[in-house]
Amino acid sequence: GAGVSQSPSNKVTEKGKDVELRCDPISGHTALYWYRQRLGQGLEFLIYFQGNSAPDKSGLPSDRFSAERTGESVSTLTIQRTQQEDSAVYLCASSLGPSRNEQYFGPGTRLTVT
Amino acid sequence: QKEVEQDPGPLSVPEGAIVSLNCTYSNSAFQYFMWYRQYSRKGPELLMYTYSSGNKEDGRFTAQVDKSSKYISLFIRDSQPSDSATYLCAFKAAGNKLTFGGGTRVLVKP
Repeated sequence: GAGVSQSPSNKVTEKGKDVELRCDPISGHTALYWYRQRLGQGLEFLIYFQGNSAPDKSGLPSDRFSAERTGESVSTLTIQRTQQEDSAVYLCASSLGPSRNEQYFGPGTRLTVT
Repeated sequence: QKEVEQDPGPLSVPEGAIVSLNCTYSNSAFQYFMWYRQYSRKGPELLMYTYSSGNKEDGRFTAQVDKSSKYISLFIRDSQPSDSATYLCAFKAAGNKLTFGGGTRVLVKP
């Protein structure tokens, strides 16, 4: 079946602009996660959704970052007033539910802030 | 001290050799242990998942967990050039987020 999809695959934006990144989880997966991967580094957790609520937002680096999810479907990560340090690959993952440990990742959105 | 330590490599081996990867961790709350493979410009792909000390085998892959030493390993037998990738260890406590190592880059030379 279809995996996790993300769009756009690449995004170049000017410092100070807002960007929206989209994630479509695997159908039937109720849990959704956003991670950030800086060049040559591991993944950093940003936020977790169960359904359309976000019980864990502990990884969001600042109030410029926000995310929402429609039901058990699409999620959008928004970064306002982008800074150069926001340049990274933003990865989305989904799992069948909060008690399931296997998370399946999308291909990521590569964000470059110039 | 970082929660997870993983040698970044690169680790270069000849085709057919055994690849040996490992991570150490400091958080005693970690209960679940995973290995992901990530090809360049792709998302991570789950390879192995375990929750107990000991060995787990799946084809050419063996995952080993030693909770007393806070040490996990991944072995790849009969390595192939297609195994060339970055391997990430990942850990999960009782919550939902994964904590990742920085990844080890592996190059299998034909």
